[in-house]
Amino acid sequence: DIQMTQSPSSLSASVGDRVTITCRASQGIRNDLGWYQQKPGKAPKRLIYAASSLQSGVPSRFSGSGSGTEFTLTISSLQPEDFATYYCLQHNTYPHTFGQGTKLEIK
Amino acid sequence: QVRLQESGPGLVKPSETLSLTCTVSGASFSSFYWTWIRQPAGKGLEWIGRIYTSGTTNYNPSLKSRVTMSVDTSKNQFSLKLSSVTAADTAVYYCARGEAIDFWGQGTLVTVSS
Repeated sequence: DIQMTQSPSSLSASVGDRVTITCRASQGIRNDLGWYQQKPGKAPKRLIYAASSLQSGVPSRFSGSGSGTEFTLTISSLQPEDFATYYCLQHNTYPHTFGQGTKLEIK
Repeated sequence: QVRLQESGPGLVKPSETLSLTCTVSGASFSSFYWTWIRQPAGKGLEWIGRIYTSGTTNYNPSLKSRVTMSVDTSKNQFSLKLSSVTAADTAVYYCARGEAIDFWGQGTLVTVSS
């Protein structure tokens, strides 16, 4: 299985901060990666697909980059509604695998 | 807008089979992959497997011996069966569209308990 190592596992930040979350794949996955936001009691919502393409309707403060084994999700200026848990998902190789999640909390 | 809705028993006894169905509306059902994911309370997401509308499947090896997925294109539905369940299978189960998952169902909690 491809391991997706997501870091940090938790993060405290303030409104207006710039935040970066990283996913590292145990082997190359081209750009077959998505980023998801999950709020308590809700299904995940896709933010980014193909590593760097912004999902329609998602604010432009979210951006993704990377290819191969290292990927980042950046939130340029945190808003109150951004405090949630974030996951990456690789869909290059079966079984598809998620990162373990990053819980973004208010400082 | 694509809508996915999971349905099935919320309580399953140990050693029995968990059965869930996902009904898709609002968009084409054909020519897509359809995926099942689960999430134990307070934990991360686990990919269970996916089925194409032709019936081709891929399962997570960690569950492969117990998982069966099927599809009914006439009803825009796909299904999950997980046999010989234990308490470790208690989770919220999500159905979703695609391999680069774009749409998710709201999720359904399945508890394994006698």
